[in-house]
Amino acid sequence: QVQLVQSGAEVRRPGSSVKVSCQFSGDNFSGTTIAWVRQAPGQGLQWLGRIIPIIGAGNYVQKFQGKVTINADESTRTVYMDLRSLKSDDTAVYYCATLRESGYLDYWGQGTLVTVSS
Amino acid sequence: DIQMTQSPSTLSASAGDRVTITCRASQNIGSWLVWYQQKPGKAPNLLIYKVSTLQNGVPSRFSGSGSGTEFTLTISSLQPDDFATYYCQQYHTDWTFGQGTKVEI
Repeated sequence: QVQLVQSGAEVRRPGSSVKVSCQFSGDNFSGTTIAWVRQAPGQGLQWLGRIIPIIGAGNYVQKFQGKVTINADESTRTVYMDLRSLKSDDTAVYYCATLRESGYLDYWGQGTLVTVSS
Repeated sequence: DIQMTQSPSTLSASAGDRVTITCRASQNIGSWLVWYQQKPGKAPNLLIYKVSTLQNGVPSRFSGSGSGTEFTLTISSLQPDDFATYYCQQYHTDWTFGQGTKVEI
């Protein structure tokens, strides 16, 4: 059974950056694809990118290339999502989730609210 | 980018109703179609993947069908626990979600 536990809510100023963590418990962390998805208040879901820890390099949706960096620490079984040059429209709940080969997200973190406000 | 369009955006129904939600892709996505349920303040919950494969533990009143560009999620007899927002998602090229369908009383 996989469990994902995310870091707590953050408040940031426009132009700054934020790093959200996602700690994995369960089998085969290194070979499990972890994806990041966000949801602005009252809005739908939006993919950001993914990483396979054993490979190390993140893979990003084109819209977020240069905006998001995803990396993984195998020693602590934690995946990080770094979001920079924050704007008010980056205010959202950010979720990590396990991505399976058939393209579905089956285990989800509890979500982390990032608020960008001056 | 592949766009996913769900209809309707909101659906009003009663317990016991048969409910159908449609998801259309802007291009052929084969069978790379997933459905999620989300309740307020919670992470989405996987219902169906590869168009019609029910995730373990999901009640059999949920079913999925379709291929190519048009897909449906059907709830055969709506239960009180099913009032939620439903999202489709494609995984053919990158990944995109539909805008969601809220099923309300």
